[in-house]
Amino acid sequence: AQSVAQPEDQVNVAEGNPLTVKCTYSVSGNPYLFWYVQYPNRGLQFLLKYITGDNLVKGSYGFEAEFNKSQTSFHLKKPSALVSDSALYFCAVRDARSQGNLIFGKGTKLSVKP
Amino acid sequence: NAGVTQTPKFQVLKTGQSMTLQCAQDMNHNSMYWYRQDPGMGLRLIYYSASEGTTDKGEVPNGYNVSRLNKREFSLRLESAAPSQTSVYFCAAADRGLNNEQFFGPGTRLTVL
Repeated sequence: AQSVAQPEDQVNVAEGNPLTVKCTYSVSGNPYLFWYVQYPNRGLQFLLKYITGDNLVKGSYGFEAEFNKSQTSFHLKKPSALVSDSALYFCAVRDARSQGNLIFGKGTKLSVKP
Repeated sequence: NAGVTQTPKFQVLKTGQSMTLQCAQDMNHNSMYWYRQDPGMGLRLIYYSASEGTTDKGEVPNGYNVSRLNKREFSLRLESAAPSQTSVYFCAAADRGLNNEQFFGPGTRLTVL
């Protein structure tokens, strides 16, 4: 079965420090991987995706993600965290069997303190 | 260009009442989705519509029905609401193709008493 796991419920980072939000996946076939961000009382916003090509994917708001096939991981990173990055982050994998529906992780709450 | 819109934003129902959540998109996308979000559960797919005129069950369809009225609109109906359906509901739209991201509406916060 295809699935995605976010092992950390919450990540705490000081402003200016690098941040990493972890995601691992399990798929049959090629993975199509996505990161979304949700600010309080808002819908999800697309950040970035990995389809093929370079393992380092750059996205919105200075975020990037590193695809690692051998570790089946797709960790979200940012070199220098901002307080405004505090939000809920979701990793998702495309389910190629069911017309491309997304399977979401449970989410990781990122808290950036000044 | 509003993207994906949802109405209402908030709703309180009593057990057994019915209601319809409305969703519309102006991006001309073929596929539309309904999710529910519960604390610690992430987003779970209720129903989806790959194209106008088709609908299919997702992970948690029980207690819900959907209608893909046209390419723009995809509604979600609760025929007899239950407290277990208290949740935040999100509609999304996407273009065809496995590499296309989904675009989400702002959500409807539903409480069933």
